Amino acid sequence: GQSLEQPSEVTAVEGAIVQINCTYQTSGFYGLSWYQQHDGGAPTFLSYNGLDGLEETGRFSSFLSRSDSYGYLLLQELQMKDSASYFCAVNSNYQLIWGAGTKLIIKP
Amino acid sequence: KAGVTQTPRYLIKTRGQQVTLSCSPISGHRSVSWYQQTPGQGLQFLFEYFSETQRNKGNFPGRFSGRQFSNSRSEMNVSTLELGDSALYLCASSLAGPQTNSPLHFGNGTRLTVT
Repeated sequence: GQSLEQPSEVTAVEGAIVQINCTYQTSGFYGLSWYQQHDGGAPTFLSYNGLDGLEETGRFSSFLSRSDSYGYLLLQELQMKDSASYFCAVNSNYQLIWGAGTKLIIKP
Repeated sequence: KAGVTQTPRYLIKTRGQQVTLSCSPISGHRSVSWYQQTPGQGLQFLFEYFSETQRNKGNFPGRFSGRQFSNSRSEMNVSTLELGDSALYLCASSLAGPQTNSPLHFGNGTRLTVT
């Protein structure tokens, strides 16, 4: 079968750093994407890793190890507006296969 | 540039009825995907279209169907509605499709409630 595993909930303090891990088991792997979704909103694209290594976009970074079927999203200098659900998704054959999402709770 | 537009935003239907949802992609985007989002199941892939061709279909019953028009606009139809079809239906467009690094741009979704 095809599956992605990520923690259901993570709590962190404003200004801190948090890492959200994602392990996957899928066929037809092209890359790993990360999306953010605020309550009541649509998912928005954060990052994509097609090759092993680290991709950095401002306060957000994403990492991929294809040999370990593992990736993570790193959020630095957390702000209250980062409170949202974060989804990892495998880019597969003309579809994204999604994890169940990680709810990030940020405390002041 | 206008984003992805989905209509209607909310729908309430009764069991056995059918429903049609509409999606207008970002101008220039030829790939349109549909996903079902429920609290317990996350996002589940329904289908993906590119230039009017369905390239992939998820594991949903035949009651779920879709199509794409020559202007890239897409519709999905659900017939013989069941209570379990209550969900948020999300449409996403991209330049080349989800098998590439082209980001998916999502609409705000259609919230379907089946009673």
